Amino acid sequence: QQQVKQSPQSLIVQKGGISIINCAYENTAFDYFPWYQQFPGKGPALLIAIRPDVSEKKEGRFTISFNKSAKQFSLHIMDSQPGDSATYFCAASSGFQKLVFGTGTRLLVSP
Amino acid sequence: NAGVTQTPKFQVLKTGQSMTLQCAQDMNHEYMSWYRQDPGMGLRLIHYSVGAGITDQGEVPNGYNVSRSTTEDFPLRLLSAAPSQTSVYFCASSYWTSGNNEQFFGPGTRLTVL
Repeated sequence: QQQVKQSPQSLIVQKGGISIINCAYENTAFDYFPWYQQFPGKGPALLIAIRPDVSEKKEGRFTISFNKSAKQFSLHIMDSQPGDSATYFCAASSGFQKLVFGTGTRLLVSP
Repeated sequence: NAGVTQTPKFQVLKTGQSMTLQCAQDMNHEYMSWYRQDPGMGLRLIHYSVGAGITDQGEVPNGYNVSRSTTEDFPLRLLSAAPSQTSVYFCASSYWTSGNNEQFFGPGTRLTVL
């Protein structure tokens, strides 16, 4: 049972464009929604995270939009750069640290 | 400060062999966990620990054992390797406090079981 559904599986965006990755969850007890970025051959690293008391969080070119009623959240990468090419994972957890991950989105930003 | 370290980086096993994947962290994190990453399936939790002497099962625990004798180390044991355990394994650690859920991942161990 996939508790966090992520789409698309892969994404190609032109340099300077906007990358959008979507996630949907089922468990209404989830209260922490991070996004992790993973480069080839490396472990995932936290990119940005949000809690359900806010609808949006922005850090530089990266923004999380959160829709509690729809049980959806998304990552927007503005002015996408070739260096953003990586695999992105959404995740969710309830209370402590037991994260449930989405299946990942492979982003390629073409020069 | 080395963060989360994992050894070995690569390993090839034959079916039925056993081995231990090592994980260590120097950040004094209470929480440690093991994930496996397979194409199209994201990261799936194998086992986790909330402190020395305390471990629990995650989503896919079968075929794996863990122990936590110290805060720093959290080894993962494959008892009798099977081809289905071919995967990339990641260890992660974090503080055990609400409001600070960031997990720090190691560089991974790529395991192939023939």
